[in-house]
Amino acid sequence: EAGVTQSPTHLIKTRGQQATLRCSPISGHTSVYWYQQALGLGLQFLLWYDEGEERNRGNFPPRFSGRQFPNYSSELNVNALELEDSALYLCASSFSGGNKNIQYFGAGTRLSVL
Amino acid sequence: GQQVMQIPQYQHVQEGEDFTTYCNSSTTLSNIQWYKQRPGGHPVFLIQLVKSGEVKKQKRLTFQFGEAKKNSSLHITATQTTDVGTYFCAGPTGRRALTFGSGTRLQVQP
Repeated sequence: EAGVTQSPTHLIKTRGQQATLRCSPISGHTSVYWYQQALGLGLQFLLWYDEGEERNRGNFPPRFSGRQFPNYSSELNVNALELEDSALYLCASSFSGGNKNIQYFGAGTRLSVL
Repeated sequence: GQQVMQIPQYQHVQEGEDFTTYCNSSTTLSNIQWYKQRPGGHPVFLIQLVKSGEVKKQKRLTFQFGEAKKNSSLHITATQTTDVGTYFCAGPTGRRALTFGSGTRLQVQP
């Protein structure tokens, strides 16, 4: 069974540009979560999508947005990139059944803003 | 909102020494999870604790969930260099959302 896949692995952009990051969840998972992890720091919650709807968002400006497609894959868009957006962006997915909310992470997309 | 705090932030031990990280929540948790992130890697699920006072072991790792279900600990006996990484605890904040602690970075000196 394939795990959570993220693309691209690395992304280099310049300040002011837009970045699009993609995530495919584990088959059967309907929830997708996005986190930002700046170098050496913890996981900062960005967005949670479930069944195509945004369910919750963290304390990030509106230029961080995303969507979830009918096949449950997801896209994170970051507009008007700033230098401090440079970080590892992690996507996770979880199973929809019961009350288990174990999250399975992808390898991440490392975004560098120059 | 819910806060999940972890201490220490960082610990450096000699190989063979024990290591413990503590996790405290501002609210009662229905369950708590632990994840490990190796340097350059992504968080990987280790275990979930559900019951008050629960203790679970995975080889040299011992996980405890407090009686009040607001705190948890991870203890590693006789650390090895393969234990290097950052350990995160996480508690549910909704049906399927999680709040992650700030993590404890473990460095093991061979």
